[in-house]
Amino acid sequence: EVQLVESGGGLVQPGGSLRVSCAASEFTFSHYWMSWVRQAPGKGLEWVAIINQDGSEEKYVGSVKGRFTISRDNAKNSLYLQMNSLRAEDTAVYYCARVYDGYAASDYWGQGTLVTVSS
Amino acid sequence: SYELTQPLSVSVALGQTARITCEGDNIGSKNVHWYQQKPGQAPVLVIYRDSKRPSGIPERFSGSNSGNTATLTITRGQAGDEADYYCQVWDSSTAHVLFGGGTNLTVL
Repeated sequence: EVQLVESGGGLVQPGGSLRVSCAASEFTFSHYWMSWVRQAPGKGLEWVAIINQDGSEEKYVGSVKGRFTISRDNAKNSLYLQMNSLRAEDTAVYYCARVYDGYAASDYWGQGTLVTVSS
Repeated sequence: SYELTQPLSVSVALGQTARITCEGDNIGSKNVHWYQQKPGQAPVLVIYRDSKRPSGIPERFSGSNSGNTATLTITRGQAGDEADYYCQVWDSSTAHVLFGGGTNLTVL
């Protein structure tokens, strides 16, 4: 069974940095695009970033561009999201998701990791 | 920028048919995916590419997409279908993923 397990969430002060990780297993990680999606408390889903199979192509939602960096290590079957200059509005559960097809359907999701930005 | 509009809430009587819409400019030209999310859980893909069902998703779930509206249809509504439902597209012009605002489905 495909598994995605996020880690690294926590409490961080405004302006601070945090890196969240996603460990993938039971599928050939290097064959898939991967994405990060977040959900603020009581709000809807918001796509954050997406990366292609070899890490050479990345896209970001405008509100995080220049502050967040998505990356991957195919040797370690891991996906990362480096978050800098964090703001209160970045507070959310961050999910990693496997991208199934060329139209960005996500067929497997992790359980999410909570990032709280507060002083 | 492209936007997807969903109703905030939809109600359906037990055993009846629920229809959840997702509106966007010429959305019929895009591939629409639908996710179900229950409280405290990660989203689950229930329909992809307008009308395809992933394995394990009941046939009661179906999708259609034409013109400016995509629709998720759930027949024989059950209490277990109560959840938030989100539509999603890939906007090729910006290479961005877009989600609708979500619809809360209540089964009465």
